[in-house]
Amino acid sequence: EPEVTQTPSHQVTQMGQEVILRCVPISNHLYFYWYRQILGQKVEFLVSFYNNEISEKSEIFDDQFSVERPDGSNFTLKIRSTKLEDSAMYFCAGSLLNEQFFGPGTRLTVL
Amino acid sequence: QKEVEQDPGPLSVPEGAIVSLNCTYSNSAFQYFMWYRQYSRKGPELLMYTYSSGNKEDGRFTAQVDKSSKYISLFIRDSQPSDSATYLCAMMGNNNDMRFGAGTRLTVKP
Repeated sequence: EPEVTQTPSHQVTQMGQEVILRCVPISNHLYFYWYRQILGQKVEFLVSFYNNEISEKSEIFDDQFSVERPDGSNFTLKIRSTKLEDSAMYFCAGSLLNEQFFGPGTRLTVL
Repeated sequence: QKEVEQDPGPLSVPEGAIVSLNCTYSNSAFQYFMWYRQYSRKGPELLMYTYSSGNKEDGRFTAQVDKSSKYISLFIRDSQPSDSATYLCAMMGNNNDMRFGAGTRLTVKP
């Protein structure tokens, strides 16, 4: 059964550094998403992406964040200048229509 | 009022019990309702998906949606120790911006 994959599983970075989190969605999915989950808190929507552009974004998704799907398979989330409060699990998800399937997540630790 | 409210538990039941998990919500635009299961430090796994009001059954799992009361439920029959996880309700309108509950931590004791 196809799965969403994410790399790396754990990323440690210094405050102020740029990070890129990578996802390979299920091949026939059309909609792609990023969510984050701060330890002990609820899963929060960041952004949705369809037809090579952002379709929705939350108030969390500020100018420090960007997404792209450069080659038709990988879907990336870039954080330009990481802050301590960006430490969280970041989940990629994809859907054909409304049912969203999640990847295993990348744990980002900002020191 | 929070957009999606879910009792975080923890909830502990003996093996074989019927488990009832619930969420309430305030946004009447929500039309799609999901239940996810999340094991510790893993991604959410889709269990049930329901559109609008009604019931849906899949094996030991039954999802119910009552849009008039803004209330959704997940029932687990004949609960097993392997059902021990955090259960997340999630919902969205037509914009694919999915909102999650806080999650209920369930333990099923052998």
